[in-house]
Amino acid sequence: DAKTTQPTSMDCAEGRAANLPCNHSTISGNEYVYWYRQIHSQGPQYIIHGLKNNETNEMASLIITEDRKSSTLILPHATLRDTAVYYCIVRPGNTGTASKLTFGTGTRLQVTL
Amino acid sequence: NAGVTQTPKFRILKIGQSMTLQCTQDMNHNYMYWYRQDPGMGLKLIYYSVGAGITDKGEVPNGYNVSRSTTEDFPLRLELAAPSQTSVYFCASRGRNYGYTFGSGTRLTVV
Repeated sequence: DAKTTQPTSMDCAEGRAANLPCNHSTISGNEYVYWYRQIHSQGPQYIIHGLKNNETNEMASLIITEDRKSSTLILPHATLRDTAVYYCIVRPGNTGTASKLTFGTGTRLQVTL
Repeated sequence: NAGVTQTPKFRILKIGQSMTLQCTQDMNHNYMYWYRQDPGMGLKLIYYSVGAGITDKGEVPNGYNVSRSTTEDFPLRLELAAPSQTSVYFCASRGRNYGYTFGSGTRLTVV
């Protein structure tokens, strides 16, 4: 699976958009970009995933560059409850395989008043 | 729909003791996984299963064993507990869609 690089930590003011970057320059054609978050020792929570098109759901938006070497997770209106560690993961999208997730150390997002 | 249930939530073991961490999912998912997370680190895969009767090693399998006799259950066995196994253990499952569902974790301390 491709490796990812994320900043160690970021701060964001409550109500503002939080933009979390991820570099995955060695991503291959069949690999998806996934985002999970982990709120204070809870189990990781799925946020969003995408292949090459931008994606949006009720939690966040995912912007993937045209060359697919990097992506940005956007939380449009961050709240204190969004304080968490955010993991960017790339893996093959073939649901017929075990498709193991490989976690790095992620980005610790601190949302402040 | 309970999702992924892990028991116990907390446990203290003495060195050399054994225990089984339980994991049950009620979503009829084929794929199940065990991860451990050490303080300040990301999750590391211990074992995984692609269906009943089929298991395989992950990144850090030493000191652990698993079994998958049913679709629902995927217990993790620790034999001869060591301080290095002090960690938080997460079980996860995945079905036909792409997202994983994680349990709430078991916090294990070996003293």
